[in-house]
Formats: sequence, C-alpha cells, structure tokens
Amino acid sequence: EVQLVESGGGLVQPGGSLRLSCAASGFTFSSYSMNWVRQAPGKGLEWVSYIRSSSSNIYYADSVKGRFTISRDNAKNSLYLQMNSLRAEDTAVYYCARDAGEWCVDVWGQGTTVIVSS
Amino acid sequence: DIVMTQTPLSLSVTPGQPASISCKSSQSLLHSDGKTFLYWYLQKPGQSPQLLIYEVSNRFSGVPDRFSGSGSGTDFTLKIRRVEAEDVGVYFCMQTIQLPLTFGGGTKVEIK
Repeated sequence: EVQLVESGGGLVQPGGSLRLSCAASGFTFSSYSMNWVRQAPGKGLEWVSYIRSSSSNIYYADSVKGRFTISRDNAKNSLYLQMNSLRAEDTAVYYCARDAGEWCVDVWGQGTTVIVSS
Repeated sequence: DIVMTQTPLSLSVTPGQPASISCKSSQSLLHSDGKTFLYWYLQKPGQSPQLLIYEVSNRFSGVPDRFSGSGSGTDFTLKIRRVEAEDVGVYFCMQTIQLPLTFGGGTKVEIK
C-alpha cells in the first residue's frame, strides 16, 4: 500500500525554524517527484514546493522562496521541508504529495500541523 | 498565477440526486502536447485530499463511475451522477500546467 507519513509539525514562535519530514513506503520513492502542499485553518489548498525524483529540479511558491528548503534522501525514502523565518501566515497543515508523473499529484499524506504563534 | 474559480461554494444534495461543480481557469489548461492539466480532488472531513479525476475526464484508480469530469480550455465540470452519503466533503479543482500549481477555493457538498 502506498503511504506517505508526515512528521515534525508543532508550535513555533515567529522567526523560528522547523523541519518537516515525510516517510514514504509502498512504492519506489526514488522514481517519483514530490510536492509539499499546505492548508491554512479553514482555507483552501496552497502548493508550497516541488522536487524532482533526482533533486535536479526544485521549485517554490513565491510566499516561501528564500525561507523554505525542500530536499529528499532517496536512500531513506524520505522527503523534507526545512522552514526558516516562520511567520504567522505559515500556520497550516502541511501535506506531502506524490507526483505520479507529468504533474499528476495522486497520493497525499495525512498531514502535519504547523502553528506559528508567540 | 492561474486563478481557479469554483462554483458553487456549497451544495446540499438529496441522496440519489445528481450534483455538478464548475471550475473555471483564468488561462487555458491545454498543453501543446494535447493534454489538459486539470484535476479534481475530494477532501472528506478530517482527511487529506484524494484524487478523483485527472486530465479533465479520467477517473483515478478505485473511483466509482458515478463521478465524471468534462470540459476543455478554461471551463470544466465535475458531475456526480447519484450522490451517496460517502461523497460528502470539499471538492477542489487544481491546475498543473503552470507553476505555481493552483487550486480552486473548494465546493462543500453536504447531504440533505
């Protein structure tokens, strides 16, 4: 069974940092590009970042560029999101999501909650 | 950025009755390769989004055939032929022809 399990969320003060992880199982992780997508409380979905299977291409939403860093470790079947200089508006549930190819986002994790507050 | 506009905001449907959701994009989602990069997702209460339809009209694995997608260019529709209780949740459309990937605001479907 294809599974994505996020972890690392929590309460952090404005200006602080957090590192999210996403553990993948049930498929050949190294063959798939991955995304991070977030959902602020009571709001819609916002794409955050993308990384190609080989890490050769990385993209960010303007709202997080320069503050967030996406990375992956194919040997550990894991995806990461390093979040620095966090703001209140970064408060959201963060989902990792698999790209099945040609930008088809087909499987999502259950999400991890990040709360930025003093 | 491509703006995705969904209507209606919410829908209350009697079980067994049809439902229809519209999604309009601010730019064409038709790629030069002939594919149209429009997707539909359902986020059930307390769950993460699940893919229903990819590239406008293709049902994802395991999706019941009461769900269908149609449209072209900038206008798209998701139809549920006969709504069931398990179909409640928020439906989102998403475009992936251009970064940033963008989503519609969502349509909440409830059962009467």
